[in-house]
This record gives sequence, structure tokens and C-alpha cells, in this order.
Amino acid sequence: DTGVSQDPRHKITKRGQNVTFRCDPISEHNRLYWYRQTLGQGPEFLTYFQNEAQLEKSRLLSDRFSAERPKGSFSTLEIQRTEQGDSAMYLCASSLYRGSSSTDTQYFGPGTRLTVL
Amino acid sequence: KQEVTQIPAALSVPEGENLVLNCSFTDSAIYNLQWFRQDPGKGLTSLLLIQSSQREQTSGRLNASLDKSSGRSTLYIAASQPGDSATYLCAVRRSNFGNEKLTFGTGTRLTIIP
Repeated sequence: DTGVSQDPRHKITKRGQNVTFRCDPISEHNRLYWYRQTLGQGPEFLTYFQNEAQLEKSRLLSDRFSAERPKGSFSTLEIQRTEQGDSAMYLCASSLYRGSSSTDTQYFGPGTRLTVL
Repeated sequence: KQEVTQIPAALSVPEGENLVLNCSFTDSAIYNLQWFRQDPGKGLTSLLLIQSSQREQTSGRLNASLDKSSGRSTLYIAASQPGDSATYLCAVRRSNFGNEKLTFGTGTRLTIIP
């Protein structure tokens, strides 16, 4: 399968624990996005990378959240000291950006569902 | 701040009927609008993307229209099938440089009754 993959698909943790999610984008895609989706809501933007550079971060991304894309390929999203309000689906998307004159469509992965007890 | 609204939140129709899903957005300065499908517990599948300069896009039984000046888009599904049951999300993108994030609506949960 050459789509966006995410691991794990499900994560249950206790409040206060740290969790890390991984996203593997489509291989030639230079942009990678993270979104969070709570029940009954649409996804909300968290952050995105172009290659290894993190270009934008949402105010939703508190100090407990950190994202990396060290080699411009896969990305990790870490949540420290998890809270019950962090329970959500975390979606990753990737795209191939060729410059401002073209449109890069975002392709989404299956998501990681986080439950904080 | 861009706000995207989808009404109704849920819709049930008998199989075979044509239907329209609505999406409205508050800031008409968009680069494009995209319709997605999401099955329960799954990620998003892109259905149609309309550039701001376009009025509509078609794919099979799906037709999406865009009226940027009034801040509205519709997704028309012809001859609905049970397999069309899913949540449909619209998302707008402000620009192609410097503000690439998608702003999503809350979705319409569609149920096709066999």
C-alpha cells in the first residue's frame, strides 16, 4: 500500500502518561500535516512541515505537544502528560507541493485514535 | 477567522434518491474547497476539489458546485446507494502559500436506507 500510514491505530493510556504517534507519508510527498478530530467535529489543524521544517503551528498545539520530521520523511507527534481532553483521533496527511502555481491535494491516513483514561 | 458550517448535521434518505449536502463559509477569500468522505473510525477520502476560479466539479454520481461570492458549496449525489452512507466533510483552504491548512466543517452524517 502506498498511501499515508499511521501507527498505532489505537492507543489507550492513563492520564499523565506520554504518548507518541508516527506518520509515514506517501514517499515522494514533501509536505506533512497533523490534524486532530474530536467526536462529532471536523478535523482541526495542528501543524505542518515542508520537508523537515515545521512551518506553522496552531494555538491548539500546547506546550505538551511536539511534532518532528527529522529527515523530511516520517513524522512523530508526541503528547506529554496526557489529559482526558486529549482524547481524539489524530490524523496525518501528506501532499506534494510544487510551488504556488499548483495545487497540492492532501491525502489522509487512517488516523490514530487516542483514549486517555 | 474562517468558519465552515454544514447543514444538516444528519440526513437519511431512501436508496435511489438524489440528494444535496450544503456547506457554507464565512470568508470568501479561499483558494479552493474540497469535499471528503469519512467512514466510521476511518480517515478521510477526498471526493472532489474545486478551485476558487471554478464553478463545479463532477466525478461519477457526484457533483460539487461553488459560489465563492455567497460563501456556499453544495455536493449533489445522484441515485444514492447504501454504500454512500458516511459522513461528508467540506474543507476550505485560504491560500496556496503561507496558509495551507484546511478548515473543516463539522460534517453531515448521511444514511441511505435500503
